[in-house]
Amino acid sequence: ETGVTQTPRHLVMGMTNKKSLKCEQHLGHNAMYWYKQSAKKPLELMFVYSLEERVENNSVPSRFSPECPNSSHLFLHLHTLQPEDSALYLCASSQDHPIPSNTIYFGEGSWLTVV
Amino acid sequence: AQSVAQPEDQVNVAEGNPLTVKCTYSVSGNPYLFWYVQYPNRGLQFLLKYITGDNLVKGSYGFEAEFNKSQTSFHLKKPSALVSDSALYFCAVRNPSGNTGKLIFGQGTTLQVKP
Repeated sequence: ETGVTQTPRHLVMGMTNKKSLKCEQHLGHNAMYWYKQSAKKPLELMFVYSLEERVENNSVPSRFSPECPNSSHLFLHLHTLQPEDSALYLCASSQDHPIPSNTIYFGEGSWLTVV
Repeated sequence: AQSVAQPEDQVNVAEGNPLTVKCTYSVSGNPYLFWYVQYPNRGLQFLLKYITGDNLVKGSYGFEAEFNKSQTSFHLKKPSALVSDSALYFCAVRNPSGNTGKLIFGQGTTLQVKP
């Protein structure tokens, strides 16, 4: 199966709740990503962490807050979300240092429904 | 700016027939190109990539893709389709001059293989 594990697989939360998505990669990679996949929209890159530092934040609303405590773990903290934030959130990893492997590997995703 | 286009929302083929899923790209310099597949309720699975070398790249599950620099295309092909190939296919591009492994995805093409 995949070397990138995401939990929970399904999450239903109210607009006033605070929850977190967790991602763990078992591939020894040093870069991790959050992507958002909505119906009828292309995959959107949200955040990139390389060597545990955030290197990209693609104009994502502050109600999404990433955290990368080490090279194997990535979190996405969620608070006061809107119904339009309901989507599949995909975590991914790759080996970018010292030589980029160029292939990004994805987890199975976390289905988020905001009610 | 980098971009990827998949001109067909859906491709329908009969089992046993050859299939092609089209992809064109726009990127400065020499691109790194990828194909991913997504089965229902699953994450993205890596199929194949072109970095350099032979223009015909072979990947998982009998798929291959041909890099055509003059036409800026990277079409996915398979000589004989299976019903189990029915899924959502994504083409993606990475600018090799970038300092992260982030990918830019096309909007996806649904492949439907009928018995």
